[in-house]
Amino acid sequence: DAKTTQPTSMDCAEGRAANLPCNHSTISGNEYVYWYRQIHSQGPQYIIHGLKNNETNEMASLIITEDRKSSTLILPHATLRDTAVYYCIVMVGTYKYIFGTGTRLKVLA
Amino acid sequence: EAQVTQNPRYLITVTGKKLTVTCSQNMNHEYMSWYRQDPGLGLRQIYYSMNVEVTDKGDVPEGYKVSRKEKRNFPLILESPSPNQTSLYFCASSLFSGSRSHNEQFFGPGTRLTVL
Repeated sequence: DAKTTQPTSMDCAEGRAANLPCNHSTISGNEYVYWYRQIHSQGPQYIIHGLKNNETNEMASLIITEDRKSSTLILPHATLRDTAVYYCIVMVGTYKYIFGTGTRLKVLA
Repeated sequence: EAQVTQNPRYLITVTGKKLTVTCSQNMNHEYMSWYRQDPGLGLRQIYYSMNVEVTDKGDVPEGYKVSRKEKRNFPLILESPSPNQTSLYFCASSLFSGSRSHNEQFFGPGTRLTVL
């Protein structure tokens, strides 16, 4: 099964860009990469997803390498409210999700 | 308001006493799923359902049952709970596009279960 590897934790200064990396070296050609975040113990919240092209929405940008073995989530101007655990996820086979343990991002004032 | 609801939100029970955690969504989503979250292990998928009467195992299905008799409901059943099932449980739902091009999941608020 495709798996993801993320750093356990990161800090980012408020107002700066937060760049969260993810490795998914066993991803298959038709598997999407999704990013979610979880604030405290609330239900995870969808951020963005992509297949091979870079994507941007109102929350973040997703940069996927050409070989698709890794990706980076970019929060362009991090705020204190972005402090959360960020999960990089691939879907495996028929709609089975592998979440992993995520990156705990702390935005510092 | 579009939402996924779970009940109960908190439950303390004893080993072996059957329980059901309900999940309901009002977005007419085909896909529904259950996850458990444990410290250091992240979220792990228990079961998922692609539509009424269609369910499949996730990564950690042992000790759990599910049913999908109606589109909006996806209850999680613990026939004989054990202490290792103490966890934070999340239900989620999404559209089932078939192409996997957009499957944003909407998560419920979570159910914190303690089995003594």
